[in-house]
Amino acid sequence: QKEVEQNSGPLSVPEGAIASLNCTYSDRGSQSFFWYRQYSGKSPELIMFIYSNGDKEDGRFTAQLNKASQYVSLLIRDSQPSDSATYLCAVSSAGGYNKLIFGAGTRLAVHP
Amino acid sequence: EADIYQTPRYLVIGTGKKITLECSQTMGHDKMYWYQQDPGMELHLIHYSYGVNSTEKGDLSSESTVSRIRTEHFPLTLESARPSHTSQYLCASSRDGDRGYTFGSGTRLTVV
Repeated sequence: QKEVEQNSGPLSVPEGAIASLNCTYSDRGSQSFFWYRQYSGKSPELIMFIYSNGDKEDGRFTAQLNKASQYVSLLIRDSQPSDSATYLCAVSSAGGYNKLIFGAGTRLAVHP
Repeated sequence: EADIYQTPRYLVIGTGKKITLECSQTMGHDKMYWYQQDPGMELHLIHYSYGVNSTEKGDLSSESTVSRIRTEHFPLTLESARPSHTSQYLCASSRDGDRGYTFGSGTRLTVV
């Protein structure tokens, strides 16, 4: 079992719809959770982080965390074609040292 | 504007050559990391550093070495490049892991 699992996609949504991206992790000791966006051929850029159970909203993005279920999700409201990218879930290593464990990412395609 | 810089952006080199991938950051971050990413795959941590003269190997075995003589500089060296080293190498830094990483633009290495 991988430490951080994501559906590879592609997840295809029409413009204006809500895109829902999911991530599960195996280490119950993980405390910090991140979502990165990576355009093809580019490096990852941080879009959200969440530490506490519940929802955290930032503009069109909402991160949701459920530590009991070891589940993190990212909702993108009013999806735009420019949101088309691979979204990487990252989880802090419970072993400390601020290391992040990344999932392989979910490819999102927003079509007009 | 990027505060973490990687050079070169692209490198094609012959088998057996020694190469150094450069990474510098101007944010004063103590923590720096090197990740390796193959197309469509997750990022794998190969080296990290928590400060000057501190380096550790990551979760993915790598034949590369790193050094951290100055806070801002974290170069990665391959003594003898092989085709199996062909990949994208991403450098990142953080002030503290709870805020996530800032990534450089990456070096795409091809060994022929």
